[in-house]
Amino acid sequence: AQSVTQPDIHITVSEGASLELRCNYSYGATPYLFWYVQSPGQGLQLLLKYFSGDTLVQGIKGFEAEFKRSQSSFNLRKPSVHWSDAAEYFCAVAGGTSYGKLTFGQGTILTVHP
Amino acid sequence: DTEVTQTPKHLVMGMTNKKSLKCEQHMGHRAMYWYKQKAKKPPELMFVYSYEKLSINESVPSRFSPECPNSSLLNLHLHALQPEDSALYLCASSQAFSPRGIYGYTFGSGTRLTVV
Repeated sequence: AQSVTQPDIHITVSEGASLELRCNYSYGATPYLFWYVQSPGQGLQLLLKYFSGDTLVQGIKGFEAEFKRSQSSFNLRKPSVHWSDAAEYFCAVAGGTSYGKLTFGQGTILTVHP
Repeated sequence: DTEVTQTPKHLVMGMTNKKSLKCEQHMGHRAMYWYKQKAKKPPELMFVYSYEKLSINESVPSRFSPECPNSSLLNLHLHALQPEDSALYLCASSQAFSPRGIYGYTFGSGTRLTVV
């Protein structure tokens, strides 16, 4: 069965600092990987996704993620964080016989200090 | 139109009430999903419809009854809910329930349900 681990429950960074959110997945074949962001009480917005090809994926709002098969990781990065980036971030994986079923990590809450 | 629209945004219902949640998309997506998200938890899949047919039911209690009247509309009928069913209910859609079809996986903003 597929699974996702986000090791960091809560991360605090200063505005303008760089950011890396970690995501490790467990899946036998090439997974379909996603990063979503959720503001309090809101739905999920897709930041970026990886299916195949270039392992460095660019997304919206200046985010990028790198797929590393050898490490089973798909970490999210941003070079300079803005106060509006404060939210909860979810990594998700799809694959196997239920391609549409997203399995989410537990989420990482990002706090941004001015 | 690249959105999934959910109504209502908020719903308070008693344990003996019957209510429905509605989800609509006009992106031509043929797979639609219901997720449940409890506070401080990730979303969990409840149901999947593919080409208007129920494909997956994740052992959801029968007090939740999904319906897909057409390719653009997905309903979730609620009856005799319990307070622990209070959560954010998210609808999503994708081009198809297949590897390439999930390229356009899109979520709505959810319905905040409170059962009293």
